[in-house]
Amino acid sequence: QTVVTQEPSFSVSPGGTVTLTCGLNSGSVSTNYYPSWYQQTPGQAPRTLIYSTNTRSSGVPDRFSGSILGNKAALTITGAQADDESDYYCVLYMGRGISVFGGGTKLTVL
Amino acid sequence: EVQLLESGGGLVQPGGSLRLSCAASGFTFSSYAMSWVRQAPGKGLEWVSAISGSADGTYYADSVKGRFTISRDNSKNTLYLQMNSLRAEDTAVYYCAKDSYGAYPRYGVDVWGQGTTVTVSS
Repeated sequence: QTVVTQEPSFSVSPGGTVTLTCGLNSGSVSTNYYPSWYQQTPGQAPRTLIYSTNTRSSGVPDRFSGSILGNKAALTITGAQADDESDYYCVLYMGRGISVFGGGTKLTVL
Repeated sequence: EVQLLESGGGLVQPGGSLRLSCAASGFTFSSYAMSWVRQAPGKGLEWVSAISGSADGTYYADSVKGRFTISRDNSKNTLYLQMNSLRAEDTAVYYCAKDSYGAYPRYGVDVWGQGTTVTVSS
């Protein structure tokens, strides 16, 4: 069974830079998995940050960027702000119309 | 403005059925794949199902395959999720979402609805 892996939690200082990753329990993530990234605060619907590896969704500031780093997809947040404190989810496309979410990363800004 | 509005959630007994709807506006509905994503209380997001723009392709997570059916009516700009044989573990907020790029669900979604809550309990 394919499992998409994310760090359960991460912390960053205000103004700092953090990179969250999205991997596979078996194999490497490439652009062929079209990784996408979503931000969610408690009680709210998710918000799309990045799709197709590195395309920012409309209205998303360029502090957020997506890439492939080594064998994982990555979401980098620069100049972290207090309202970046959220849960972040990645999704990988597995082929044949199927996508799988990672377990999410809880980001703390302190 | 692109908008998605889910409806149809509620309380249902185990083994029961429910149909969710998602009314879309602000874009050419038939040109985009659509997806359903759910979130159980206190848990992460789970991809449930997707459908191509012309409805010639439907796709399901293993957890719902054979019980849920995704469909769409492009003349009404509406997405559906028929849920049968519901279980307690189907209890979740269900979100519909629009594909970011086109008619095949591959690249990720870019717009989300606000969600509708389904509770399966006796």
